[in-house]
Amino acid sequence: AQKVTQAQTEISVVEKEDVTLDCVYETRDTTYYLFWYKQPPSGELVFLIRRNSFDEQNEISGRYSWNFQKSTSSFNFTITASQVVDSAVYFCALSEEMDSSYKLIFGSGTRLLVRP
Amino acid sequence: EPEVTQTPSHQVTQMGQEVILRCVPISNHLYFYWYRQILGQKVEFLVSFYNNEISEKSEIFDDQFSVERPDGSNFTLKIRSTKLEDSAMYFCASRLEGPLSGANVLTFGAGSRLTVL
Repeated sequence: AQKVTQAQTEISVVEKEDVTLDCVYETRDTTYYLFWYKQPPSGELVFLIRRNSFDEQNEISGRYSWNFQKSTSSFNFTITASQVVDSAVYFCALSEEMDSSYKLIFGSGTRLLVRP
Repeated sequence: EPEVTQTPSHQVTQMGQEVILRCVPISNHLYFYWYRQILGQKVEFLVSFYNNEISEKSEIFDDQFSVERPDGSNFTLKIRSTKLEDSAMYFCASRLEGPLSGANVLTFGAGSRLTVL
């Protein structure tokens, strides 16, 4: 069963537009962690944020904000006033505390293209 | 800032050849992982390693794959007889152990691109 779903395969916006990347997850664990990673064209995986299942407080970091809603099992990521440098593939991922290997389960990613 | 280093950054090999990808995890991390990303696709879990043994492996990690931590610092992925479909980016990652280990961030290396001809 797909544990992390990123339904948007690709999004294209014009610079300065706001954009939201959706992430829906599935888990039976009561303690779990959600992550967003960015993969720029250079290929590396860059950690952006982690959210614990017991902390539903939303977070803002500069132009980035994250909306965690347990009721809908979603952890969406919004970029405000997008810039060309935001162009990348963004991955949402899940880690479950009952998983003894603590591996990350990735969604399929959303490719964001920000056009000048 | 501590980082995970991977070598080589790119390797080209002939089908049927053995390949070893090397990783140096962050020194105080105790969980180690290999992931694979076929071009343009999702990042897939291959194997996790803890306390000098495999803790979990995916169905992708068949008998052609093996991992080793030979000297307490390196963490290697060996593909015994490469196939065309093994062409991918291979990422090594490591994680700190803690009271809630799942909360700790997985730090990834820059990846090793494997091209099988």
